[in-house]
Amino acid sequence: AQSVTQLGSHVSVSEGALVLLRCNYSSSVPPYLFWYVQYPNQGLQLLLKYTSAATLVKGINGFEAEFKKSETSFHLTKPSAHMSDAAEYFCAVTQRGPGGNQFYFGTGTSLTVIP
Amino acid sequence: EPEVTQTPSHQVTQMGQEVILRCVPISNHLYFYWYRQILGQKVEFLVSFYNNEISEKSEIFDDQFSVERPDGSNFTLKIRSTKLEDSAMYFCASGVTDTQYFGPGTRLTVL
Repeated sequence: AQSVTQLGSHVSVSEGALVLLRCNYSSSVPPYLFWYVQYPNQGLQLLLKYTSAATLVKGINGFEAEFKKSETSFHLTKPSAHMSDAAEYFCAVTQRGPGGNQFYFGTGTSLTVIP
Repeated sequence: EPEVTQTPSHQVTQMGQEVILRCVPISNHLYFYWYRQILGQKVEFLVSFYNNEISEKSEIFDDQFSVERPDGSNFTLKIRSTKLEDSAMYFCASGVTDTQYFGPGTRLTVL
């Protein structure tokens, strides 16, 4: 069984401050992990993914995430928040494989950036 | 850059009516999916489709739901007799390996 927990449904940061969005996963098999961003009235855009290569993964828009097996975590960070980062962020887990496996999503974290 | 597209963007229907949601996956992708997101809740898996057949489906995907890839480009989700609780955003996704790329969604409102 697989699941994802995102701590904090709402996170507010000041513009220029560090962004930290938390994701913990549960998986009985080696996981693949993903972060997606959803802007208002839009679909889910892939930010970054961990698929068993480097544990520190860099994505688009300056975001990165680190896979920590010992902590079962895949937290998303960005050193300096920008107004355009305001959106809903979803963490997702799936099992390793060539494809076709369902994704399990967290409940999402809404990021507000304060000018 | 290729994108998954979905039509319509918003569908309003009466309870008991049939609806068909349409998706055009990215052209060289092999795996196709439908997910839904009820307002304020998490994104939930409905079904995956590979090699012209369903490869996995969730408990949500009951006999009222069906999927079809009628030609080489479209991927459809049909709900035979809509219920109020089917109101949600429906996302189509496609992928060639482990990563899934999502469309913008169709907001279904059942009255």
